[in-house]
Amino acid sequence: KQEVTQIPAALSVPEGENLVLNCSFTDSAIYNLQWFRQDPGKGLTSLLLIQSSQREQTSGRLNASLDKSSGRSTLYIAASQPGDSATYLCAVVLAGGTSYGKLTFGQGTILTVHP
Amino acid sequence: DAGVTQSPTHLIKTRGQQVTLRCSPKSGHDTVSWYQQALGQGPQFIFQYYEEEERQRGNFPDRFSGHQFPNYSSELNVNALLLGDSALYLCASSLLLPGDYGYTFGSGTRLTVV
Repeated sequence: KQEVTQIPAALSVPEGENLVLNCSFTDSAIYNLQWFRQDPGKGLTSLLLIQSSQREQTSGRLNASLDKSSGRSTLYIAASQPGDSATYLCAVVLAGGTSYGKLTFGQGTILTVHP
Repeated sequence: DAGVTQSPTHLIKTRGQQVTLRCSPKSGHDTVSWYQQALGQGPQFIFQYYEEEERQRGNFPDRFSGHQFPNYSSELNVNALLLGDSALYLCASSLLLPGDYGYTFGSGTRLTVV
């Protein structure tokens, strides 16, 4: 059974700081990994999608890396801003079998960026 | 291009009642999945529909059922509501093989059972 863990559970940083959010998964046979952002009481906004054959993806101030062999992904946020405050979720899709197509989520990291 | 649309946005029901939630997928997507997110938790997979059939199901009781229509829209039905069913219900659409585009989520339906 795939399990996804995110560390830390919560993070509070001053504006302008660079930060790293961590995601680990127990089954390395993944199809892809997706990072999402969730504002309080809202739906999920996709940030970055990394295919199993890729090592990283970048979008603006965000960079996500993937190390399948160690079962880890990191989301790097550069020059954080108060508007980045949200919950960040990572989710993986297994490569095959009965779980293919199903997203398995971590518990999320609650990020607060204060001015 | 409209994204994933869910209705209603909020709903209050009494224990024991039945509820139907609705989802219209993103244009071009043919697969709809439903997730339940309790407060402070990550979303949990309920089931997935493709070609009007349930392809796979998470660890949820039979009180949770769904349907997909020919236009790819979907409904989630929950019978005999329990207090523990209170949660944010999220709909995600994708292609059957999510490929380079992954999953697109709606804004969710907040269900409160009293």
